[in-house]
Amino acid sequence: EAEVAQSPRYKITEKSQAVAFWCDPISGHATLYWYRQILGQGPELLVQFQDESVVDDSQLPKDRFSAERLKGVDSTLKIQPAELGDSAMYLCASSGQGRVQFFGPGTRLTVL
Amino acid sequence: SQKIEQNSEALNIQEGKTATLTCNYTNYSPAYLQWYRQDPGRGPVFLLLIRENEKEKRKERLKVTFDTTLKQSLFHITASQPADSATYLCALLYLIYNQGGKLIFGQGTELSVKP
Repeated sequence: EAEVAQSPRYKITEKSQAVAFWCDPISGHATLYWYRQILGQGPELLVQFQDESVVDDSQLPKDRFSAERLKGVDSTLKIQPAELGDSAMYLCASSGQGRVQFFGPGTRLTVL
Repeated sequence: SQKIEQNSEALNIQEGKTATLTCNYTNYSPAYLQWYRQDPGRGPVFLLLIRENEKEKRKERLKVTFDTTLKQSLFHITASQPADSATYLCALLYLIYNQGGKLIFGQGTELSVKP
């Protein structure tokens, strides 16, 4: 069964350092999402891509976060510089023609 | 902005009983309401979807209801099993022109089923 792949699964970094997360969606899925989930809360959308175009990045802290999906397939989310408050689970999801989103296993980020 | 509230307290039930989880929202009703399951350290997994013009949907031991007048959805797991222990997320899907769907999640309810 096709799955969304994410790496790394865990990342520990010091504040002010740069971090990057990678996501490979299910093959053929045009829509890709990045979410942030703080412990005890639901996922919150950071950015949504349709193919290679950003369609919603209203909740992305653009002073330190950036996301790209250059060829409309895999995607990278970057944080520079990381802050203590960025510690969270970063989830990638993709969807095809239907209304269901398929999530990857996530990247657990700890900022020290 | 849209607010979604799920049972804030963890739900503890005995195996074999029916678990009922609540999802309430404010403001406008979504085109679809979805329920996801999330295990610790994992991504959410889709369970059920119900449209705004549907009252009830069933899938095996799962049942979801959707009342747009009350702005509430109920999620039921019948004949619960310890393997059903997880966090359950309610999510509202809004369709936005030229952007597809935007999913807004509740904070989740932790369910624990005791043998």
